[in-house]
This record gives sequence, C-alpha cells and structure tokens, in this order.
Amino acid sequence: DAGVIQSPRHEVTEMGQEVTLRCKPISGHNSLFWYRQTMMRGLELLIYFNNNVPIDDSGMPEDRFSAKMPNASFSTLKIQPSEPRDSAVYFCASSLGQGRSEQYFGPGTRLTVT
Amino acid sequence: GEDVEQSLFLSVREGDSSVINCTYTDSSSTYLYWYKQEPGAGLQLLTYIFSNMDMKQDQRLTVLLNKKDKHLSLRIADTQTGDSAIYFCAEISGNQGGKLIFGQGTELSVKP
Repeated sequence: DAGVIQSPRHEVTEMGQEVTLRCKPISGHNSLFWYRQTMMRGLELLIYFNNNVPIDDSGMPEDRFSAKMPNASFSTLKIQPSEPRDSAVYFCASSLGQGRSEQYFGPGTRLTVT
Repeated sequence: GEDVEQSLFLSVREGDSSVINCTYTDSSSTYLYWYKQEPGAGLQLLTYIFSNMDMKQDQRLTVLLNKKDKHLSLRIADTQTGDSAIYFCAEISGNQGGKLIFGQGTELSVKP
C-alpha cells in the first residue's frame, strides 16, 4: 500500500500567489482530513470530508482557503492569495470511516510564503 | 470544549523506560491514540486504545488508560535512540464525528 500521497513536498511562493496542495488518500478510505502544523499553534484540523462531502470546515482560517474533493482518490487545498502567515506544514490524512477509525497521515507539504 | 494536554519535553537514557503522559477533558472520548512524528516526516500511528480498556501492550509499547482521571500514558520499554521523536496524544470525541483532538506533542530525547 502506497499510503497517503501528497504533492508537492515543498513549495516556496511569493505573497499574493495562488498555492494548490494535492492529496491522494489510501485506496478504500472514505474519510479525508486536512491539517496544518505550526510551531505556534501545533496541529490544527482545517477541514474533513466523508464520502467526498465536506463535513466540517470550521477550522478553515478564512475565505482565502478552499478545499475540494472531486472524487474518492483526490483532494486539493487551495490558498488564494497566499500570505506569509500561511507558512506551515500541511498534512493530509485518510481513514476507513468517519468517527472511530484511525487516521493515516501523508508526509506533508512544507509551504513557505515569502 | 475538548482539550488534550501533554508535557513538552522528556529526556531519557538509552535502555531506560520512557513514560509519556497525557490528560484529556472529554469524558465521551471513545478512542485515544498515540502518534509519533520524526523530524521532517508525517505522523505515524503507533497504537490506540478503546475507552473501555485499561491497558494495551504492543511489543515495547504499553498504553495505560485511567478513565476516571482522564489520564493516558505511553510507556516505551528499552528506549532506543531511534525512538527520539515527538509523540502526540489524540482523542476522538464521542460527539465530534471523525475529528481528532491532538495534544501539543512531547519531544522525547534519548541520550546514548
């Protein structure tokens, strides 16, 4: 099993640019989660999907952030326009089911906005 | 709201046992998890325990759960330098669907 795949692994961009992060969950998993990790705030859940439907997006910081899951094997997290305070590591995770099912994390995308 | 607390740092000598502690506030927690994060990597699921269990053992790892005190611990026997990492405690609340609530993480440093 390839595990959760994220791309790119590293992204450096200038303030104001659009950034798109990508995630491929483990095949057969029907829940997908986007997290952000910073030194100051630790791990934060941004949004999660169940069966491709967004269930809880209360963690999305503001309207500059959006996430989609067009099918069971692909999700994107977009930041437009990006700001330096968005610099963080963004993780995608997937699980077999909503609720009591362990989550498996991808390697993360390290985003630097200058 | 739900909260998960961990101490930030732990230092042990190679070969000793490590005990990482965690407290949580949500009494409706059903599953509690331990994750390991090595530098530059994602979170790796180590083990989990269901809330009706007191203890779970998996090779060098022992998880103890005191539900009355809402206290969870992870014991690593014969700690090795390769165990140096950040360890996160997390809970799934009974009323929060699939949301994992993470602690701040405990940085374990193993000295040779």
